Amino acid sequence: EIVLTQSPGTLSLSPGERATLSCRASQSVSSRYLAWYQQKPGQAPRLLIYGASSRATGIPDRFSGSGSGTDFTLTINRLQPEDFAVYYCQQYGSSPRTFGQGTKLEIK
Amino acid sequence: QVQLQESGPGLVKPSETLSLTCDVSGFSVSSSSYYWGWIRQPPGKGLEWIGNIHYRGSTYYNPSLKSRVAISVDTSKNQFSLKLSSVTAADTAVYYCARDPGFCNDGSCYGWFDTWGQGTLVTVSS
Repeated sequence: EIVLTQSPGTLSLSPGERATLSCRASQSVSSRYLAWYQQKPGQAPRLLIYGASSRATGIPDRFSGSGSGTDFTLTINRLQPEDFAVYYCQQYGSSPRTFGQGTKLEIK
Repeated sequence: QVQLQESGPGLVKPSETLSLTCDVSGFSVSSSSYYWGWIRQPPGKGLEWIGNIHYRGSTYYNPSLKSRVAISVDTSKNQFSLKLSSVTAADTAVYYCARDPGFCNDGSCYGWFDTWGQGTLVTVSS
């Protein structure tokens, strides 16, 4: 199965800054089949990005996804207080679908 | 607006069977364009896909759990269910149900999860 490694484990930034989160796959993810989720404490994950770069319904345009092959990035511009959470990537180009271990974005 | 809600016992004894149901509102589980899935998250850890079902009854399971998992759908009640047998403490987790707009074929599934239930904590303990 494909192992997804997210980095950094924790990212400390201030509101208004830009966050860059990485997701690296142990083998190529076909057709850019990669999604990103946001999870806040005590809540279910929320879909942000699918197809590596397509924003889900209702997701602000400060969230953007990019990448292909084994390297993918989630960028959050102009961080808002509500953006501080844990972010997971998920690949669905190979079965079984797998998730990364998460990156915690915390307020500096 | 589609909503999903998990329900079931919060405590299960070791070696017994965990049973959960996901009630879907605002959308029909009989939609041919979607699959319905279960995902779990052990306390303080990451996410693991358990399995998927289509309303026609096709099921797809994570190979790591396949021997113990069964997912079913009840279109008359607009719900789907999870059974996980022979549970151990390692099965303690928050269990989520979710909608999957992807596709499955040849025994594999290729999709993301666009709507999630709030999750339910299941603890395995005697």
